[in-house]
Amino acid sequence: EVQLVESGGALVQPGGSLRLSCAVSGFTFSNYWMNWVRQAPGKGLEWVATIRQDGSGTYYVDFVKGRFTISRDNAKNSLFLQMNSLRAEDTAVYYCAKYTRAMGVWGQGTTVTVSS
Amino acid sequence: DIVMTQTPLSLSVTPGQPASISCKSSQSLLHSDGKTYLYWYLQKPGQSPQLLIYEVSNRFSGVPDRFSGSGSGTDFTLKISRVEADDVGVYYCMQSIQFPLTFGGGSKVEIK
Repeated sequence: EVQLVESGGALVQPGGSLRLSCAVSGFTFSNYWMNWVRQAPGKGLEWVATIRQDGSGTYYVDFVKGRFTISRDNAKNSLFLQMNSLRAEDTAVYYCAKYTRAMGVWGQGTTVTVSS
Repeated sequence: DIVMTQTPLSLSVTPGQPASISCKSSQSLLHSDGKTYLYWYLQKPGQSPQLLIYEVSNRFSGVPDRFSGSGSGTDFTLKISRVEADDVGVYYCMQSIQFPLTFGGGSKVEIK
């Protein structure tokens, strides 16, 4: 069974940092690009970042460039999102998703709250 | 950036009746490889999004055949032939022809 399990969400103060993780099982992780997508409370879906199979290429939405870093460890079947300089507007549920131009498999999400 | 515009924002449907959602993109989603990178997702209440339709009109694994997608270029439509109670939620279109990937604002389907 294909599974994506996010973790690492927490309450953090503005300006703080957080590292999200996504543990993957049920498919050959190293063969697939992966995404992070977020959803602010009561809002729609917003793409955040994508990483190629081997980590050689990464893509970000403008408003996280320079603050967030997507990475992966193919040996550990894990995807990460390092989030620095967090702002109140980064408050959201963060989902990881398997990417083949479509996002066919999603995790359950992990909640990040940025507040003082 | 490609802007994805969905209409309507919400719709209330009687069970067994059809429903239709429109999605328009600000640029053509037809790639030089011949594929059109337009997708439909459903987010049921309290759940993660799930893929319904890929590349305009292909149903994802396990998606009932009452869901269908159509369109080309910049204009796309998701149709539900006979709405069931389990279809409630917010439907999103998404393009992946180029970065940044962008979603429509969502269309909320409720049951009358």
